[in-house]
Amino acid sequence: ILNVEQSPQSLHVQEGDSTNFTCSFPSSNFYALHWYRWETAKSPEALFVMTLNGDEKKKGRISATLNTKEGYSYLYIKGSQPEDSATYLCALYPYNQGGKLIFGQGTELSVKP
Amino acid sequence: GAGVSQSPSNKVTEKGKDVELRCDPISGHTALYWYRQSLGQGLEFLIYFQGNSAPDKSGLPSDRFSAERTGGSVSTLTIQRTQQEDSAVYLCASSSASVAAQETQYFGPGTRLLVL
Repeated sequence: ILNVEQSPQSLHVQEGDSTNFTCSFPSSNFYALHWYRWETAKSPEALFVMTLNGDEKKKGRISATLNTKEGYSYLYIKGSQPEDSATYLCALYPYNQGGKLIFGQGTELSVKP
Repeated sequence: GAGVSQSPSNKVTEKGKDVELRCDPISGHTALYWYRQSLGQGLEFLIYFQGNSAPDKSGLPSDRFSAERTGGSVSTLTIQRTQQEDSAVYLCASSSASVAAQETQYFGPGTRLLVL
């Protein structure tokens, strides 16, 4: 059974703080890693798809890095804003599993003004 | 353009009743997925459809769950004889290809199912 782990489970920060969280996955079964943001009462929104070791992606104040050899990805948010409050999900796209994604449990971020 | 839509947005049912959840994928997307999130759990894969191929049903938790996709577009997830442990948010997603690792899956807003 493939396991994708995210930490921390939840995070409370003040507006303006920078923060980061971790997604760990089995490096032996890596094909791609997806990051999504899921705000309450909305659809999960795609942030990044990463495939290459050493990949770095950026979207505004949010960026992500990937280490496929050791099996982890970091998501960074610079200068958190209240509108960043959401659950951040990572999902592994493994080999030989068709198109399904294996999701972690998510990191719930709360940014206080 | 229109995104993935799901209906109903909320459903409350009694234990033992059957429910049907509907998903309208993005037009032209050949791949369609169902996931669910139970309380305190991560998103769990249920089933996926790719074009006219046989669906991958490997994630369905029991034979009370079934899904179909008519005409390569709309999909219905049916849960028979619902149990309280079926309470969850059921999410549908679609993508333009299922075997491209870089292909983003676009999610609908989900159906929140509560079984009393």
